[in-house]
Amino acid sequence: GEDVEQSLFLSVREGDSSVINCTYTDSSSTYLYWYKQEPGAGLQLLTYIFSNMDMKQDQRLTVLLNKKDKHLSLRIADTQTGDSAIYFCAESMSSSASKIIFGSGTRLSIRP
Amino acid sequence: EPEVTQTPSHQVTQMGQEVILRCVPISNHLYFYWYRQILGQKVEFLVSFYNNEISEKSEIFDDQFSVERPDGSNFTLKIRSTKLEDSAMYFCASSWVGANTEAFFGQGTRLTVV
Repeated sequence: GEDVEQSLFLSVREGDSSVINCTYTDSSSTYLYWYKQEPGAGLQLLTYIFSNMDMKQDQRLTVLLNKKDKHLSLRIADTQTGDSAIYFCAESMSSSASKIIFGSGTRLSIRP
Repeated sequence: EPEVTQTPSHQVTQMGQEVILRCVPISNHLYFYWYRQILGQKVEFLVSFYNNEISEKSEIFDDQFSVERPDGSNFTLKIRSTKLEDSAMYFCASSWVGANTEAFFGQGTRLTVV
């Protein structure tokens, strides 16, 4: 079945890199996404990667996809206090153009 | 920047009452969605809507739920007879094409059923 798993918490020091990991089960994933949710706000799409890519970089964000291991990661370089949020990994499948399957979210907290 | 807006931000209702959650999607988007997140659980897909009809729905979306686009701008989710377990954050989203692209989410409506 469709399942997306991620660790619940991550704490990093300001200025360090953050790496948030995610695993998924459905090999027919077409797109994989990272969403950010700040307190009281909606889900903001940070970046997404098509399943035939293995890396995507966008400024401080780097997404790595290992299709063999069904593993997705999000690296945030030079983590800032404004990066504190919950980060959701998500996938869409070729069988459905309508829905996105979300992970539980990883709460990223930044230490001074 | 265009955004999806949802009202109200928080709704408290008694069990058995009907509620309508409202959303204004981004104006030129064609696909509309409702998701929900029960406290401490994952964000779950409820329904997608395109061309004035439901294109896909999950098992959660039973006969108690309905969606409507009553005019050119609003997209609503109605829960006919609320249950305690309907308490959740409900997110509306819209996209230009299907989910295989960027979907913009609203800030959510927190529904509390008492």
